Amino acid sequence: AQKVTQAQTEISVVEKEDVTLDCVYETRDTTYYLFWYKQPPSGELVFLIRRNSFDEQNEISGRYSWNFQKSTSSFNFTITASQVVDSAVYFCALSEAGWGGKLIFGQGTELSVKP
Amino acid sequence: EAGVVQSPRYKIIEKKQPVAFWCNPISGHNTLYWYRQNLGQGPELLIRYENEEAVDDSQLPKDRFSAERLKGVDSTLKIQPAELGDSAVYLCASNREYNEQFFGPGTRLTVL
Repeated sequence: AQKVTQAQTEISVVEKEDVTLDCVYETRDTTYYLFWYKQPPSGELVFLIRRNSFDEQNEISGRYSWNFQKSTSSFNFTITASQVVDSAVYFCALSEAGWGGKLIFGQGTELSVKP
Repeated sequence: EAGVVQSPRYKIIEKKQPVAFWCNPISGHNTLYWYRQNLGQGPELLIRYENEEAVDDSQLPKDRFSAERLKGVDSTLKIQPAELGDSAVYLCASNREYNEQFFGPGTRLTVL
């Protein structure tokens, strides 16, 4: 069965600190996708990134970076120089690689960035 | 490109009453999903449509929940009768490619 675990329920940092959100997944599939979504207080889930299981290259997008390690089944998300606007609940998710596969979400990590 | 549209945004009903939620996916997205998000949890799939066909409804409580997607565009999710445990946010999403799903703002249901 597929499972996503986000062990950090809540994280609180002060603005400009770096913060890493952990994600560990379980799957028997050999090919799959991993995702991160942001859910701000307004409630709408915002897509951030997708990684394919066969591509372990790390990715950087502005202040955001993602570290995918297949050997440890982890897909961690780092925000550099955090800002108050980064305050949200962040979800890691997993899907099979076939078309239309459902997303299996973790429990989410609530990030609070204080000024 | 317009996003996924859902209505209503909020709904408060008494238990045993019926309720319906509506979703209009992103234009051209043939795959549509309904998820339920309980407080403090990640969303969980209720049903997935490919065009008009429900291809995964294994998690839909069929005794009280029903869904339809006539003409393969808009979709409606219904609960009848609602129970206290149905209080949650109901999210609709549509799929672009590689299972990148785009979500609507959700309907927050409160059952009293």
